[in-house]
Amino acid sequence: GQQLNQSPQSMFIQEGEDVSMNCTSSSIFNTWLWYKQDPGEGPVLLIALYKAGELTSNGRLTAQFGITRKDSFLNISASIPSDVGIYFCAGREAAGNKLTFGGGTRVLVKP
Amino acid sequence: SQTIHQWPATLVQPVGSPLSLECTVEGTSNPNLYWYRQAAGRGLQLLFYSVGIGQISSEVPQNLSASRPQDRQFILSSKKLLLSDSGFYLCAWNPGGAHRAHEQYFGPGTRLTVT
Repeated sequence: GQQLNQSPQSMFIQEGEDVSMNCTSSSIFNTWLWYKQDPGEGPVLLIALYKAGELTSNGRLTAQFGITRKDSFLNISASIPSDVGIYFCAGREAAGNKLTFGGGTRVLVKP
Repeated sequence: SQTIHQWPATLVQPVGSPLSLECTVEGTSNPNLYWYRQAAGRGLQLLFYSVGIGQISSEVPQNLSASRPQDRQFILSSKKLLLSDSGFYLCAWNPGGAHRAHEQYFGPGTRLTVT
């Protein structure tokens, strides 16, 4: 079945740093979505991407729809403590109503 | 604006007992509805989705079932819970045929512990 590989699995951030994460697919997607989940809560949609090559920002967050349509990237600039959480990518193939989710990137604060 | 509700928020049930989790959406009509399960520290596994009343698609064979008795109500059930049913259950909706139809919006989740 369809798989999404999300990396890194976890990362430590220091306030003010820029961080990046990505997702790769074994096949082509028509839609890429990025979510953030805080502990004990449902995921919240951050950014939606609908076109290959599209670059979209939401505040300090920027996501890109890869031109091959098999990958997507999320960047967080000037990270702050509240950026801690789990970030999920999700993709949708050409037909259907279902999303495939990546395994998540856990963002933690450096001790 | 649209809102999505799930209840209960937490549930502790013994093995072999029945289960009923409810999800309702407000402020929209004819949404697509989804049930996901999330094991601790893991990603989201799609269990069921529905594109209309009485229409249920099952993604994973298991001892769970889903029903959609009303347009904006989605119920997840089990006749006999297993220990492996423990997890965080999330309901989600999207507008279906509208613009940006594939953006899914999640409820607050139900934490189920089977003992």
